[in-house]
Amino acid sequence: DTGVSQDPRHKITKRGQNVTFRCDPISEHNRLYWYRQTLGQGPEFLTYFQNEAQLEKSRLLSDRFSAERPKGSFSTLEIQRTEQGDSAMYLCASSSRDSTGYNEQFFGPGTRLTVL
Amino acid sequence: AQSVTQLDSQVPVFEEAPVELRCNYSSSVSVYLFWYVQYPNQGLQLLLKYLSGSTLVESINGFEAEFNKSQTSFHLRKPSVHISDTAEYFCAVLRMDSSYKLIFGSGTRLLVRP
Repeated sequence: DTGVSQDPRHKITKRGQNVTFRCDPISEHNRLYWYRQTLGQGPEFLTYFQNEAQLEKSRLLSDRFSAERPKGSFSTLEIQRTEQGDSAMYLCASSSRDSTGYNEQFFGPGTRLTVL
Repeated sequence: AQSVTQLDSQVPVFEEAPVELRCNYSSSVSVYLFWYVQYPNQGLQLLLKYLSGSTLVESINGFEAEFNKSQTSFHLRKPSVHISDTAEYFCAVLRMDSSYKLIFGSGTRLLVRP
């Protein structure tokens, strides 16, 4: 399978615990994005990387959230001291950048987080 | 700032009937426009996009959308729906000058009944 993959697909945790999600982009895609989708809402942008550099972080990404892409390939999203409000689907996407400036984002299946 | 409005949270329709899912957007800069579809327990899939040129764009499975600049709309239509079209549909915009942050609407659930 050459699409974007995410692991785990589901995560149930207790409030206050730390969780980490992994995203493997399509190979050779230099851009990687994280979005969060809460129930009944569309996805909201969290952050994005170009290669290993994190170029923008949304205000939605509180200090408890950290994302890394250490070698410009896979990425991890960590949430520390989880809260019930963190329950959501976390989506990862990747893209290359073509000469016209438009880059189609290909989405993974998401990681559904439930905080009890 | 950009925003996307999908006024209909759910649209029930009978199989083989036509459907229109409405999308309006607000932006002070030029944007690209998209429709994504999300089937149950799956990720988002790009359904169709408007980048430039003809304002009417079509997908391979019979959907079409028309960009209307004066009304800032990008409504999605299909003349005859199938049961398999049941899904969540998201309209989204992307700024042309910094094309990395997709801004999504809240989604419309299309429910096709036999």
